Amino acid sequence: AQSVTQPDIHITVSEGASLELRCNYSYGATPYLFWYVQSPGQGLQLLLKYFSGDTLVQGIKGFEAEFKRSQSSFNLRKPSVHWSDAAEYFCAVGAGTGRRALTFGSGTRLQVQP
Amino acid sequence: DAGVIQSPRHEVTEMGQEVTLRCKPISGHNSLFWYRQTMMRGLELLIYFNNNVPIDDSGMPEDRFSAKMPNASFSTLKIQPSEPRDSAVYFCASSSTAGGGTDTQYFGPGTRLTVL
Repeated sequence: AQSVTQPDIHITVSEGASLELRCNYSYGATPYLFWYVQSPGQGLQLLLKYFSGDTLVQGIKGFEAEFKRSQSSFNLRKPSVHWSDAAEYFCAVGAGTGRRALTFGSGTRLQVQP
Repeated sequence: DAGVIQSPRHEVTEMGQEVTLRCKPISGHNSLFWYRQTMMRGLELLIYFNNNVPIDDSGMPEDRFSAKMPNASFSTLKIQPSEPRDSAVYFCASSSTAGGGTDTQYFGPGTRLTVL
């Protein structure tokens, strides 16, 4: 069965600093990978996704992620964090028929210091 | 576009009562997903429909849970009888498989359920 691990439960960065959120997955086939963001009391918003092709994926809000098959990783990065980026971030892998059933990681809560 | 609409946004009920959560997917989307989010278990897929047909219900916790999608614009998730451990935020998401490619799931705002 597929699984996703986000090893960092909580990360604090200063505004303007760079950010990297880690995600490791386990899946027997080529994975479909996603990063979602959830603001307090809100639903999830898709930041970016990887299905195939270029392993460096650009998303919304200045985020990017790199798929590394050899490391089973799909880490999320942003060069300069804004206070509005404070939220919870979820990595997910699509599995099953058409890779449509998403398995989520436990999430990483990002706090941004002024 | 109105996005995925869920109702109610908040529900407080007593143990043993029936609870019905509702979802209206984005117009034109042909797939619908129900997720549950708890502190202990995180985000879990409960069931998903494609063209109104249930495809994978392996995440439905037990027989107390049931989901229906009578038409392309409406789905319900019912819990009967409800128990305190059902307290969670329930999300509905929808997507479109038009074009045959992989799809992006768009999430609703969620229903926060509290069972006393």
